[in-house]
Amino acid sequence: KNQVEQSPQSLIILEGKNCTLQCNYTVSPFSNLRWYKQDTGRGPVSLTIMTFSENTKSNGRYTATLDADTKQSSLHITASQLSDSASYICVVIRMDSSYKLIFGSGTRLLVRP
Amino acid sequence: EADIYQTPRYLVIGTGKKITLECSQTMGHDKMYWYQQDPGMELHLIHYSYGVNSTEKGDLSSESTVSRIRTEHFPLTLESARPSHTSQYLCASWAGTGNTGELFFGEGSRLTVL
Repeated sequence: KNQVEQSPQSLIILEGKNCTLQCNYTVSPFSNLRWYKQDTGRGPVSLTIMTFSENTKSNGRYTATLDADTKQSSLHITASQLSDSASYICVVIRMDSSYKLIFGSGTRLLVRP
Repeated sequence: EADIYQTPRYLVIGTGKKITLECSQTMGHDKMYWYQQDPGMELHLIHYSYGVNSTEKGDLSSESTVSRIRTEHFPLTLESARPSHTSQYLCASWAGTGNTGELFFGEGSRLTVL
């Protein structure tokens, strides 16, 4: 079982609508959590990094939340655009000397006009 | 922002051929990584390096090898490609110190072995 689970696996929404992607993790000890956006055939690009003490962080129309107690994070996309169509990957880093990144399998978002 | 380059972006070759995927970064980052990603699946670490002359195998067993002779260059080699090697290979480098640094990815090399 993967230590970082994302849901839903895929999502289709209409342009202009909002959506929320979920990430649950069991990685321990926890250091920080990241959300990446990966366009088809491209490398992932960082959207946000959240440390243990941060509950919410925004990057434009993207807002990430973190509940370290329940080990859950969400990525909320507001007023979706066609260019938001991509895979969104949740990554958790363990707090040890290895700087080990644990990747979720991603949520594939398709925004339709 | 880091500049990290991968070549080739796409490669189609026959079984048994030797291939090298190139990865270069211009920011002087010590830590570099190779990930393998099948369509719709998560990234798996296959190799990493903490600096010149440092190379380690990652979590996913791979028949590929890497070298790190220069800080900016981290090529991946397959001596004899097979169809099971068909995948996307992503190179990345780590900026900053500690585990709150930033991981920058290249655009990827999509390999198809016939």
